[in-house]
Amino acid sequence: ETGVTQSPTHLIKTRGQQVTLRCSSQSGHNTVSWYQQALGQGPQFIFQYYREEENGRGNFPPRFSGLQFPNYSSELNVNALELDDSALYLCASSLLANGATEAFFGQGTRLTVV
Amino acid sequence: AQRVTQPEKLLSVFKGAPVELKCNYSYSGSPELFWYVQYSRQRLQLLLRHISRESIKGFTADLNKGETSFHLKKPFAQEEDSAMYYCALGDDKIIFGKGTRLHILP
Repeated sequence: ETGVTQSPTHLIKTRGQQVTLRCSSQSGHNTVSWYQQALGQGPQFIFQYYREEENGRGNFPPRFSGLQFPNYSSELNVNALELDDSALYLCASSLLANGATEAFFGQGTRLTVV
Repeated sequence: AQRVTQPEKLLSVFKGAPVELKCNYSYSGSPELFWYVQYSRQRLQLLLRHISRESIKGFTADLNKGETSFHLKKPFAQEEDSAMYYCALGDDKIIFGKGTRLHILP
């Protein structure tokens, strides 16, 4: 058990709505990264939060936003949902020190936009 | 630009045969390379990283900076090796390839 938990596990939303996904980091980790995994694709980096500040962003529009809290848990918010946002959203926590370290993944939230 | 390429979407190998999953990367600097694996109905997990130079579950991967490759190898495939394998490149964030599905045939 890696300790990274995500909620909810499944979610159905209507196009145009807003959604918030949640992630609880593994104890001792200070960094959370979010990924979008479309069917048949590898995880695509959305953004990373380190000590409550955004620390890098992938090629995603501003309607994808996030937060990291003092306890290092995190939220991913997506506004104005589009059909193409349907995917598995993965959260990964790690301890950012010198260079990349092992990322521990949650089980993901399956978002379906209809 | 940082990029990870896994040229094979699907690789089918007979049990007991050697396995090689290909990975090439594009990165300016000294990369840190990983292989992640996702077994059926399980979460994505780290298989190995190049700096540790370990063999995990019989798998090894050697970083070849000249060829910018980090191929994953195992001399004798086992049925439990069937899974999705992702090559990944990391500095302060991890960039994944599209993945290769390894199917071990009985």
